[in-house]
Amino acid sequence: EDQVTQSPEALRLQEGESSSLNCSYTVSGLRGLFWYRQDPGKGPEFLFTLYSAGEEKEKERLKATLTKKESFLHITAPKPEDSATYLCAGDYNQGGKLIFGQGTELSVKP
Amino acid sequence: GAVVSQHPSWVICKSGTSVKIECRSLDFQATTMFWYRQFPKQSLMLMATSNEGSKATYEQGVEKDKFLINHASLTLSTLTVTSAHPEDSSFYICSATSARMNTEAFFGQGTRLTVV
Repeated sequence: EDQVTQSPEALRLQEGESSSLNCSYTVSGLRGLFWYRQDPGKGPEFLFTLYSAGEEKEKERLKATLTKKESFLHITAPKPEDSATYLCAGDYNQGGKLIFGQGTELSVKP
Repeated sequence: GAVVSQHPSWVICKSGTSVKIECRSLDFQATTMFWYRQFPKQSLMLMATSNEGSKATYEQGVEKDKFLINHASLTLSTLTVTSAHPEDSSFYICSATSARMNTEAFFGQGTRLTVV
């Protein structure tokens, strides 16, 4: 069974304190690894897609990287507005169906 | 990115009644739409996959007679929760994609269903 596991479940940071979120995944059959941001009561907002080991993508204070068995979402000098739940999901070539991790709830305090 | 609109954003209904939720792709043709359910503090659980013009494929454990899915056009899919009960209260989210979008799926804003 394909699995996507995120850690930590929750992360509290001070404004400006950089950190990383982890997403480990079942390697066999992975076609793409997605990162989403979800605010309370909202649908997920697309951030990045990564397709091959070594790939990196950046957007403002966020950088996503992919290795052969896990992905990291690095947050540099976070601000309170970065507070949200970050979800990663794997595409295992099942007609577009995504397997989601349980999410990391990020809280950034001023 | 592409826009997916879900309606309503929230709904309260009485036990035993049915509720319809709409999911529209506003600026692209969605060959496939997905319906997810999310409980508080939990991740998204796929309920069903809907391809335009064909019957939906339901995940194991999801009652297809209770959660009716229709995908009659390339821009609209509907989820009807029939004979709703309080345990059906949840956050329902749709996503849409097409072959041109390289598997990137875009999500609606979600529908908060409360059954009283």
